[in-house]
Amino acid sequence: AQTVTQSQPEMSVQEAETVTLSCTYDTSESDYYLFWYKQPPSRQMILVIRQEAYKQQNATENRFSVNFQKAAKSFSLKISDSQLGDAAMYFCARSGNNAGNMLTFGGGTRLMVKP
Amino acid sequence: DVKVTQSSRYLVKRTGEKVFLECVQDMDHENMFWYRQDPGLGLRLIYFSYDVKMKEKGDIPEGYSVSREKKERFSLILESASTNQTSMYLCASRSRTEQYFGPGTRLTVT
Repeated sequence: AQTVTQSQPEMSVQEAETVTLSCTYDTSESDYYLFWYKQPPSRQMILVIRQEAYKQQNATENRFSVNFQKAAKSFSLKISDSQLGDAAMYFCARSGNNAGNMLTFGGGTRLMVKP
Repeated sequence: DVKVTQSSRYLVKRTGEKVFLECVQDMDHENMFWYRQDPGLGLRLIYFSYDVKMKEKGDIPEGYSVSREKKERFSLILESASTNQTSMYLCASRSRTEQYFGPGTRLTVT
């Protein structure tokens, strides 16, 4: 089975600081998509950021950016200037060569933000 | 705005009951998915559908079935609920670029 691994079950960060969530994955495909999803407590899962594997440039969305290392099959999420509203479960996921295809998820990282 | 809704946020059922979880999307998407979410395991795919009346098994289909009679609606069925099916169930609908998730149904089987 092709897997996605998040090695940090829980992380904490001080408000306004920067935190990095780790993700590694396994795939035999050359073209695929990677995602970070956020699930706030008792709220809907939403997409944070998406990376196409064929693009070398790391994706960025406001305070969220990724460090995509294709050879190492690593896809970490950096959150800058952390806010209390960033507290949530974060899931790393991988799909095949169509971004909307079936997703394989990691086990999740619970991020706590300290005021 | 994209919208995926699920019929219940919380559900409590007894062992052996037949359980229906409903999901509706308003985006005219062809592909819909049912996932199960458990702590430490992330989300695991149960079934997906790529068209009306079409379905494919995911990674953990045992004990579940699905129904897709209309494009906007995708139902997950537990034929005879068991305690090990206590979990959070998430439905998703797919656009070309991403999946959109419903709010989830937390099912407890006692």
